[in-house]
Amino acid sequence: ELKVEQNPLFLSMQEGKNYTIYCNYSTTSDRLYWYRQDPGKSLESLFVLLSNGAVKQEGRLMASLDTKARLSTLHITAAVHDLSATYFCAVDMEWRLNRDDKIIFGKGTRLHILP
Amino acid sequence: GAVVSQHPSWVICKSGTSVKIECRSLDFQATTMFWYRQFPKQSLMLMATSNEGSKATYEQGVEKDKFLINHASLTLSTLTVTSAHPEDSSFYICSATQTSQYEQYFGPGTRLTVT
Repeated sequence: ELKVEQNPLFLSMQEGKNYTIYCNYSTTSDRLYWYRQDPGKSLESLFVLLSNGAVKQEGRLMASLDTKARLSTLHITAAVHDLSATYFCAVDMEWRLNRDDKIIFGKGTRLHILP
Repeated sequence: GAVVSQHPSWVICKSGTSVKIECRSLDFQATTMFWYRQFPKQSLMLMATSNEGSKATYEQGVEKDKFLINHASLTLSTLTVTSAHPEDSSFYICSATQTSQYEQYFGPGTRLTVT
C-alpha cells in the first residue's frame, strides 16, 4: 500500500523559531510536492521537487528531497504568524508507468505560530 | 497562467437531491482532471481521475453511481453528487493537468452542505 507520512501532524511554535516538517513515502518516486492550505481555502502550491538532492527556497521556507531515503523536509526559518496554515506533502506515484499522474497526499501538518 | 475555477464555491442542498459541481481550466487545455474530497481537518482523498472523452477512473470505495463525473471537453469536468445525504457534506476540490505536463493545478474548491 502506498503511504505518505508526515510528522508532526500538529505543531505549535513561537515566532522567530526554526522547525522542520518531515515527509516520508513508501515507494520509489522522484516527484514530490509541498502545498499550503489556509482554513476554508484550496491548496496553494509551494514547491515541486523533481530529483534527488533538490533543494528549493522561498522566503522563510525551504524544501529538500532525498529520494534514496524517500524523505522530504520542509524547513521553516524564523517563523512568523503569517505562516500559520496546514502544510501537505504529496508524492506522484505513477508517472513512470505513463499513467495518470495521481498524487498521494500526506495527512498534513497543522502549523500554528504564536505571536 | 494555469488557472482552474470551480462553480459553485458553496452549495446547500436537501437530502435526496442532486448537485452538480463544475471544474474549468481557464487558460489551458486539461487532458486530465482529478476530483478530491476533503473532510474537516483531514487530508485530500482522491475520488476519481477523468480524461477528456473517456470514462472516469474511480478510486476504491468511491461509488461511481453516486458521484457521476463527466469530462466532456478539454476545459470542463463536472461532478454530480446524486441523491445527496448529509454524510456527503464535504469540501470538493478539482485539479487539472495540461497535456504532456505533470503538475496539477487546483481549483478553489466547492463546499457542499447537505441538510
